[in-house]
Amino acid sequence: DQQVKQNSPSLSVQEGRISILNCDYTNSMFDYFLWYKKYPAEGPTFLISISSIKDKNEDGRFTVFLNKSAKHLSLHIVPSQPGDSAVYFCAASADNQGGKLIFGQGTELSVKP
Amino acid sequence: NAGVTQTPKFRILKIGQSMTLQCTQDMNHNYMYWYRQDPGMGLKLIYYSVGAGITDKGEVPNGYNVSRSTTEDFPLRLELAAPSQTSVYFCASSPDGISGELFFGEGSRLTVL
Repeated sequence: DQQVKQNSPSLSVQEGRISILNCDYTNSMFDYFLWYKKYPAEGPTFLISISSIKDKNEDGRFTVFLNKSAKHLSLHIVPSQPGDSAVYFCAASADNQGGKLIFGQGTELSVKP
Repeated sequence: NAGVTQTPKFRILKIGQSMTLQCTQDMNHNYMYWYRQDPGMGLKLIYYSVGAGITDKGEVPNGYNVSRSTTEDFPLRLELAAPSQTSVYFCASSPDGISGELFFGEGSRLTVL
């Protein structure tokens, strides 16, 4: 039972263009959503998050959009840079779960110069 | 600032052997977690702890044990290693267990032959 799904295993984008990574969830109890970035041989690092009371959160080149009715969120990276090439994980948590995160399978982003 | 430190980084075990993965954090975080990541999959929660002396099971606890005698340390014990436990293991910590923002170690790659 995959509660958080990232259906695209990989994405290739040209430098300077927009990268859009998608994530779907099934559990309506989730109320906090996060994106993590992971380079090879390193642990994941926190990138950006959004609470269920919002539909958009921006941090520099990164914007996360949340559509609660569709149980869908997306991460936009504009403009994409070669250093953004990494695996991106979507994660979700419920308020009463002690910070336990449920992760998606990840999307490997490749930004080509 | 060391953050979350995991040892060893790599280990090969024979079926039936036992070992302990060590995890230490120097951020005085109450919440700590162990995740495993299999190829092409997201991170799955094995065990977590909300403070010294308190531990609880995650999504995939079978075959593992944990203890939390101090705030800093959260070791993960494999008693009878099986090939299904071949994975990359990540330890993480969080200050409050509310926001879901976790700080991860670099990971420990375990192979069971």
